[in-house]
Amino acid sequence: DIQMTQSPSSLSASVGDRVTITCRATQSLSGYLNWYQQNPGKAPKLLIYAASSLQSGVPSRFSGSGSGTDFTLTISSLQPEDFATYYCQQSYSFPPTFGGGTKVEIK
Amino acid sequence: EVQLVESGGGLVQPGRSLRLSCAASGFTFDDYAMHWVRQAPGKGLEWVSGISWNSGSIGYADSVKGRFTISRDNARNSLYLQINSLRVEDTALYYCAKGAGEAPYYYGMDVWGQGTTVTVSS
Repeated sequence: DIQMTQSPSSLSASVGDRVTITCRATQSLSGYLNWYQQNPGKAPKLLIYAASSLQSGVPSRFSGSGSGTDFTLTISSLQPEDFATYYCQQSYSFPPTFGGGTKVEIK
Repeated sequence: EVQLVESGGGLVQPGRSLRLSCAASGFTFDDYAMHWVRQAPGKGLEWVSGISWNSGSIGYADSVKGRFTISRDNARNSLYLQINSLRVEDTALYYCAKGAGEAPYYYGMDVWGQGTTVTVSS
């Protein structure tokens, strides 16, 4: 199985900050990497698919990049509603696997 | 409106069985793969099982293989998860999620239900 490692596991930031979360896979994903946001008590929401494509309805302050085994989610200017937990997920092969999550907290 | 509604969760004793259901609406159900993803209390997301649009491709996490069975009824726009030999570590919120394509790989999961809670305890 492909293992996914996110870093950091948590971070503190202020409204307006630029935030970067990284995700590393144990083998190349050929770009099949997705990012999700989960607010407390809510279901996950797809933000980015295929490493860099913005899901419909997602604000443009979210962006994804990367290839091979290393990927990044960037929030260009953190908003109050962005304080949540973020997960990467590989969809290159069965079983699809999630990273451990990155909790973004208010500084 | 695209919607997924899970049901069937509850409090069960170890070793017993449960069948989860997911009712889909607002999209052409038989065009898409479907998944079950669970989240134990205070923990991250764990993919459990996925099924292609025509049930031709099915996969399970190692942690549930041999105990869980995924199925779908395209005529009823419904997804199911039969859970046998329940263990305490199966306690979680179980989400039904729609794949963004017909296969249970390559695509992300673009619609999620609100989940149904399974608690395994004696």
